Amino acid sequence: DAKTTQPPSMDCAEGRAANLPCNHSTISGNEYVYWYRQIHSQGPQYIIHGLKNNETNEMASLIITEDRKSSTLILPHATLRDTAVYYCIVRVAINDYKLSFGAGTTVTVRA
Amino acid sequence: DSGVTQTPKHLITATGQRVTLRCSPRSGDLSVYWYQQSLDQGLQFLIQYYNGEERAKGNILERFSAQQFPDLHSELNLSSLELGDSALYFCASSVDGAENGYTFGSGTRLTVV
Repeated sequence: DAKTTQPPSMDCAEGRAANLPCNHSTISGNEYVYWYRQIHSQGPQYIIHGLKNNETNEMASLIITEDRKSSTLILPHATLRDTAVYYCIVRVAINDYKLSFGAGTTVTVRA
Repeated sequence: DSGVTQTPKHLITATGQRVTLRCSPRSGDLSVYWYQQSLDQGLQFLIQYYNGEERAKGNILERFSAQQFPDLHSELNLSSLELGDSALYFCASSVDGAENGYTFGSGTRLTVV
């Protein structure tokens, strides 16, 4: 799997958009970008994934650069409940392929 | 509720003992994955089973073993426990062929004293 680089931590004001960057400069053509989050010792939660195009769902938006070497997860209106560790993972999207978690970004949403 | 059920939620046991952690995957999911999360380490992949057979192995110790039964539930057996085995153990499941990621359970917190 391609490795990812994320900032160790970031703060965000409640109600504002949170933009979480991820660098994956060695990503291969068949690798997807996945985002998960883990809220204080709970099981990780799937957020979103994408290959080339930007993606949006009810939780977040994923913006992938044209060269696919980096991406940004956007939480449009952060709430206190979005405080969590966010993991950016790249992997081949076949279901029998393990997810490798890095250190992630600890996001703290402040009132 | 994610649909992945892990029992027990908490477990306290002594060094040298053996424990079994159980995981029931989401209905319809054939793959089960086990992860370990220690305080000083991130989420470490241990092992994957697909429809009863071992598919992939990660950093799983020889003292640890797992299996997936015909009803698709899985058990992770940890033996000769050491203090360093204290951790959160997560199970995840997925549907083979789907790309929409894994669904994790809420974990079992193991404390070895």
